[in-house]
Amino acid sequence: QSVLTQPPSVSAAPGQKVTISCSGSSSNIGNNYVSWYQQLPGTAPKLLIYDNNKRPSGIPDRFSGSKSGTSATLGITGLQTGDEADYYCGTWDSSLSAPYVFGGGTKLTVL
Amino acid sequence: EVQLVQSGAEVKKPGESLRISCKGSGYSFTSYWISWVRQMPGKGLEWMGRIDPSDSYTNYSPSFQGHVTISADKSISTAYLQWSSLKASDTAMYYCARHGTAMVPGYWGQGTLVTVSS
Repeated sequence: QSVLTQPPSVSAAPGQKVTISCSGSSSNIGNNYVSWYQQLPGTAPKLLIYDNNKRPSGIPDRFSGSKSGTSATLGITGLQTGDEADYYCGTWDSSLSAPYVFGGGTKLTVL
Repeated sequence: EVQLVQSGAEVKKPGESLRISCKGSGYSFTSYWISWVRQMPGKGLEWMGRIDPSDSYTNYSPSFQGHVTISADKSISTAYLQWSSLKASDTAMYYCARHGTAMVPGYWGQGTLVTVSS
């Protein structure tokens, strides 16, 4: 059971917009920045968003992040078939459980 | 260009020991933490622990504390993850990841597949 809760799957048609939620608590999301990672099939994860809403160099602005309270959201607009992947949120946790925690992951299907 | 190159796939028997490696290049190795992340077959990412290569300070997830050891040799810009006695449940892909200025895993290695089977 992950400390951060994500929906197991989401789907949308090409060109549409999708959002993926990540719910935590005051010990993690509530008091720390959130990052998002994309894992394409058979590849290593890649950082998509850090500090809640910043994109590393090379990440298109179709990807966006936001945070409110103890929840965070990843948004993807103009969906492409190449966006089909698993998406994970991550953040630091100030409790004794684990310094860094990931969500359980969300499988995005582009129909 | 920042690169993390991990050692190759391993097949081991239960009870055997193992050390896998992660070599950093293209940056100052001692300036950024390295984390190790486990991904069991068909499952999600699990943060195992991290090391500060400048002083080898480590901290671990409670789920992995005592089961693995993270170390680093800054003279060769390499971090390690090791087991003294493998179990079948250690079968997984293991990733190393370098933290960035945002203090989160920003650059990832290609992964090392560890298979433990009798």
